[in-house]
Amino acid sequence: DTGVSQNPRHKITKRGQNVTFRCDPISEHNRLYWYRQTLGQGPEFLTYFQNEAQLEKSRLLSDRFSAERPKGSFSTLEIQRTEQGDSAMYLCASSSRGDSYNEQFFGPGTRLTVL
Amino acid sequence: TQLLEQSPQFLSIQEGENLTVYCNSSSVFSSLQWYRQEPGEGPVLLVTVVTGGEVKKLKRLTFQFGDARKDSSLHITAAQPGDTGLYLCAGRGVGAQKLVFGQGTRLTINP
Repeated sequence: DTGVSQNPRHKITKRGQNVTFRCDPISEHNRLYWYRQTLGQGPEFLTYFQNEAQLEKSRLLSDRFSAERPKGSFSTLEIQRTEQGDSAMYLCASSSRGDSYNEQFFGPGTRLTVL
Repeated sequence: TQLLEQSPQFLSIQEGENLTVYCNSSSVFSSLQWYRQEPGEGPVLLVTVVTGGEVKKLKRLTFQFGDARKDSSLHITAAQPGDTGLYLCAGRGVGAQKLVFGQGTRLTINP
């Protein structure tokens, strides 16, 4: 199965620490998305890449958040100086530019808990 | 800002009953997707609808896209305990790439 993979699956950190998450998309997909999901809510869009270019960022993505996709393959999402309000499930999805429906396939997510 | 309102937010019914989940917006979407999510996992794509009035069936699940492409529904016939989960609708605005999600419907089917 070559679906979207995310690492780590769970991360517990103390307030003020930096964390980094990794996403490996489906191999032939050139679009990659990050979403955040808090308990009892649907996912909210954070940012998206087409190849290595970051084409859209949500206002939810504060200065403490940065995402990269340096070679157009895997992506990392870094949160600096974490706050308790950053606790959430961080989801990565990918899609193919050749797919006119732009169907997005999600990874299993990284659950972040900030103490 | 595009919003998707899903209803009901919670639904608990007995095995064998039928149910419908609604997803409504005042905005037009170029496509709408339904996902199912298990606890601690990412959403799994069930179906994509793109044409106004389109109906798609997936076994006992029937998905419909509204004529004006502003709303959608998911109907489950003869629900089974294995249908238990969080159902999410997600729309893609015209010209957009990101998905806007509803808040989800948590469905519980009791044996």
